Amino acid sequence: SQQGEEDPQALSIQEGENATMNCSYKTSINNLQWYRQNSGRGLVHLILIRSNEREKHSGRLRVTLDTSKKSSSLLITASRAADTASYFCATDGTGSQGNLIFGKGTKLSVKP
Amino acid sequence: KAGVTQTPRYLIKTRGQQVTLSCSPISGHRSVSWYQQTPGQGLQFLFEYFSETQRNKGNFPGRFSGRQFSNSRSEMNVSTLELGDSALYLCASSLGRAFTDTQYFGPGTRLTVL
Repeated sequence: SQQGEEDPQALSIQEGENATMNCSYKTSINNLQWYRQNSGRGLVHLILIRSNEREKHSGRLRVTLDTSKKSSSLLITASRAADTASYFCATDGTGSQGNLIFGKGTKLSVKP
Repeated sequence: KAGVTQTPRYLIKTRGQQVTLSCSPISGHRSVSWYQQTPGQGLQFLFEYFSETQRNKGNFPGRFSGRQFSNSRSEMNVSTLELGDSALYLCASSLGRAFTDTQYFGPGTRLTVL
């Protein structure tokens, strides 16, 4: 069963705009991770944020975590056509038996 | 460091056959996890191996099995293939256990069952 649920399912923006994707989850977590997948390829790890952290940055990426609302957001600033991909959040979740559980992803399309 | 490699990249099989997929983790990584990705179900966890022991198993039938060798390389096997087994199979490696460490994914093996 899905632990994380991304929102929106699809997002289309112009180059240079910011893109925000949200992830909600159900059970308490130790950490939450964001991954990117280009069309049918392997996943690339973007950021891991632990449950005691509220915000993390990596280049043009900013991730926030609100454990009280069981939600996280991924912000990509000044988007580029190369950011076109699907973005997934993954949580460990106390009920997950220690494995990562992925959401269904947000499909981001950045138009040049 | 070389990344995670998976072989073969593409595979076509017929119903009832069996298939073995291979995954070579990043050097030094002890955990290998396997996932099945389909358009309908998304990414679903199959199993995790750590130091040659299966540590976790997802909700898949017994036709799906795996193993890990002493050099951390892993194989997964699917017996008696069904049409619904058509999917992208991804493996990922990490230094420590999968739920605590960053996972590095391979490019995947696309399995088509006819």
